[in-house]
Amino acid sequence: AQSVTQPDIHITVSEGASLELRCNYSYGATPYLFWYVQSPGQGLQLLLKYFSGDTLVQGIKGFEAEFKRSQSSFNLRKPSVHWSDAAEYFCAVGAVGGGSQGNLIFGKGTKLSVKP
Amino acid sequence: NAGVMQNPRHLVRRRGQEARLRCSPMKGHSHVYWYRQLPEEGLKFMVYLQKENIIDESGMPKERFSAEFPKEGPSILRIQQVVRGDSAAYFCASSPGPYNEQFFGPGTRLTVL
Repeated sequence: AQSVTQPDIHITVSEGASLELRCNYSYGATPYLFWYVQSPGQGLQLLLKYFSGDTLVQGIKGFEAEFKRSQSSFNLRKPSVHWSDAAEYFCAVGAVGGGSQGNLIFGKGTKLSVKP
Repeated sequence: NAGVMQNPRHLVRRRGQEARLRCSPMKGHSHVYWYRQLPEEGLKFMVYLQKENIIDESGMPKERFSAEFPKEGPSILRIQQVVRGDSAAYFCASSPGPYNEQFFGPGTRLTVL
């Protein structure tokens, strides 16, 4: 079955520290991947996306993610976290083929808290 | 360039009433997706529509839920005879085509009393 796993429900980091949020997927077809961020009571904002090509992708707000096909992972990283990064982060996967019509499958999210 | 618009942002209904949620996609986008977010959960796909067509409704509950995207006007997600378990945030996303990035609206938060 198709699935997306974000193993960490809640992460707390100090401001200025580095950050890595994990995402693993299980998908039979060729995946394309996204990271979205959601602030409380708000919609989802796209941070970055991977469709093909260079497996290290850069996004907005200083975020980057690396697609590792062998590990079925798409981890999100930021070298230095800012207090404004506190939010919930969702990994999402779509696929071309494999019965998919273009909808996305989301992980359950990782809530990020930032200590001053 | 306006983003995806949803209204109302908050909707309160009593059990048994009907809820209508509206979504206007981004300009130039003809593909609309509806997702539901329950507390402490990620988003779950409900339905995928193009103008006047339902492409994939595999995530829609079999009863009480319906969706449309008419030739003119917004996409509508309709929930008949709401129950408490329908309380959730409902998000609409649009894209220029399938297998593209999806842009999300701010959501409609439905509360069923």
